[in-house]
Amino acid sequence: GAGVSQSPSNKVTEKGKDVELRCDPISGHTALYWYRQSLGQGLEFLIYFQGNSAPDKSGLPSDRFSAERTGGSVSTLTIQRTQQEDSAVYLCASSLSPRPNEQFFGPGTRLTVL
Amino acid sequence: DQQVKQNSPSLSVQEGRISILNCDYTNSMFDYFLWYKKYPAEGPTFLISISSIKDKNEDGRFTVFLNKSAKHLSLHIVPSQPGDSAVYFCAARGYNAGGTSYGKLTFGQGTILTVHP
Repeated sequence: GAGVSQSPSNKVTEKGKDVELRCDPISGHTALYWYRQSLGQGLEFLIYFQGNSAPDKSGLPSDRFSAERTGGSVSTLTIQRTQQEDSAVYLCASSLSPRPNEQFFGPGTRLTVL
Repeated sequence: DQQVKQNSPSLSVQEGRISILNCDYTNSMFDYFLWYKKYPAEGPTFLISISSIKDKNEDGRFTVFLNKSAKHLSLHIVPSQPGDSAVYFCAARGYNAGGTSYGKLTFGQGTILTVHP
């Protein structure tokens, strides 16, 4: 069966440009999470979706970051006016219900801002 | 504010021996703890978990111990195998501002485990 997929797998961009990262969760999974892992750091929570709504956006680091989810499925994380400190691996996870041992992670998108 | 800490960036163990990975936390509201394993270029995969009402959970070669008074948990792998070489993340689940527990996880920095043949 298909797992969580993310695209692109790698993204190199110039400082100041906007980027969009995509996550396709496992079909039927209602909960979706975005995390990021900066070099030498643990995974940092960004945002949580239940269906199409985001009850917790507390991890978004600035207003340059936004995310949406449509149809209770695909989610897009958008970073506007990228900065070098945005460079990280962005990971998406989904679960059938908000139970942490059922979170399935995608392979991540490695973002490099030059 | 690092609420979950893994103070050992790396650990090297001989095949067949025990691997012990440690994790400390500061938030007493955490109610569920998990260990994830991550290989390069892959997402983390769930390994084992423990509820805050227990002090031990075992699954095959993997055992997680929780010491609530010390706010410390550890993962024991016995016997260690070369295929266990990966980054191990400790994670904790807590409550949001509304008092509802859901799946948001707070992760430690990870420990790179290398098991030598």
